[in-house]
Formats: sequence, structure tokens, C-alpha cells
Amino acid sequence: DIQMTQSPSSLSASVGDRVTFTCRASQSISRHLNWYQQKPGKAPKLLIYVASTLQSGVPSRFSGGGSGTEFTLTINSLQPEDSATYYCQQSYGDPYTFGQGTKLEIK
Amino acid sequence: QVQLVQSGVEGKKPGASVKVSCKASGYTFSDYFIHWVRQAPGQGLEWMGWINPKSGGTKYEQKFQGRVSMTRDTSISTVSMELNRLTSDDTAVYFCARNPAPGVPNDPLEYWGQGTLVTVSS
Repeated sequence: DIQMTQSPSSLSASVGDRVTFTCRASQSISRHLNWYQQKPGKAPKLLIYVASTLQSGVPSRFSGGGSGTEFTLTINSLQPEDSATYYCQQSYGDPYTFGQGTKLEIK
Repeated sequence: QVQLVQSGVEGKKPGASVKVSCKASGYTFSDYFIHWVRQAPGQGLEWMGWINPKSGGTKYEQKFQGRVSMTRDTSISTVSMELNRLTSDDTAVYFCARNPAPGVPNDPLEYWGQGTLVTVSS
């Protein structure tokens, strides 16, 4: 199975800051990497797919990059509503594993 | 619009089985794979498997093999996930989710059900 490792596990930042999360795969997954945002008590929401394509309706302050085994999710100009847990997921091969998540707190 | 509506909260005893349903609407049911993902309290997301509603074919995460069954009823546009021999470790919110593109399972999960809480306790 492909293991997905996210860092950091949690992060605290202020409104207007820029933050970057990292997701590493245990083997190359090309660009088959997706990012989700989850708020408490809600289903995950797809933000980015194939590493860098922004899902329709997602604000442009979100961006993704990377390929192979290392990927990033960047949020520019943080907003209060960005407080959530962010998960990466590989869709290269089953099982379609998720990272353990990065919890973002807005100060 | 695409909607996935799941069945309600379940409380089960250890050793029992649970069946969670996911009713689809707003698209051609048979064309899109449905995945199941679960989330234990305070924990991350865990992919369980998928079902191809057109063929009924399934793929399960190995840790659930022999204990999970995903089925579909095309007449009511519903997929179901049954998990047997429940333990307290199965206490979780179970989500169904759909790929954006027809006919392929290895895509992101664009549409999600609202989640079904399953609690396993004696």
C-alpha cells in the first residue's frame, strides 16, 4: 500500500498569512494527488485534484503543486473560514490512501 | 444537482452487522463509481472500497476483506455498505462519495454524502 504522510500535523496562523502544507507519498504517484478540506461535523470538500487543478468554486488563494512523491498545498492570504483540517489522498492505485491530516487554526 | 443522501444513525452491539445506504440523485446512477470512506472519532479518513453500480463489481481495502459487502439496487439508485462482526473499533462516521468522471474509480472524490454515524457499544 502507498503510505501518505502529511506535515505538520497542526498549524496556527493569522488572517492574511500564507501557509504551506506538505504531503509525501511512500512511492511515486505521478500527479495523482488530491487535497480535501474538512470542517467539524461535515463531509470533506474537494479542493485540488491531480496535484494542482483547482476544483470549481474553490477560491484562488488555494494552490497545489508537486509530483512524484512530494506535494504541497498553499493557502495565500488566510481567511477565518480556512480554519479546518486538510487531507491529501492519492488516487494512483488502490487502496486510495489518505494522509493523517493537518489541522489549521486561525489565531 | 448531484446528491448523495445516506441513512440515519445506527447503534449496534459488538458482533452485530450494520448496513448503511446511500441514495443517489441528479445524475445517471450507473455511470459513476461510489466509494466508501470512514472516519473514527477524532481521527483521519480511511478508504474502504468502491462499487461499480453498472456491473456490481467491487474493490475492498484488504483490511475489510471478508467483513464488508458493497451492493447496489439500480431500481432505486442506491448503494449499500454492510459491515459484519462489528467491534468498538468500527465506531465511526461512514461516508459515501462519488468520482467526478464516469467509469473510472481512480479519480478524486467530488461528491459526498452527509455521513452516517455508526456506534458500536455493549
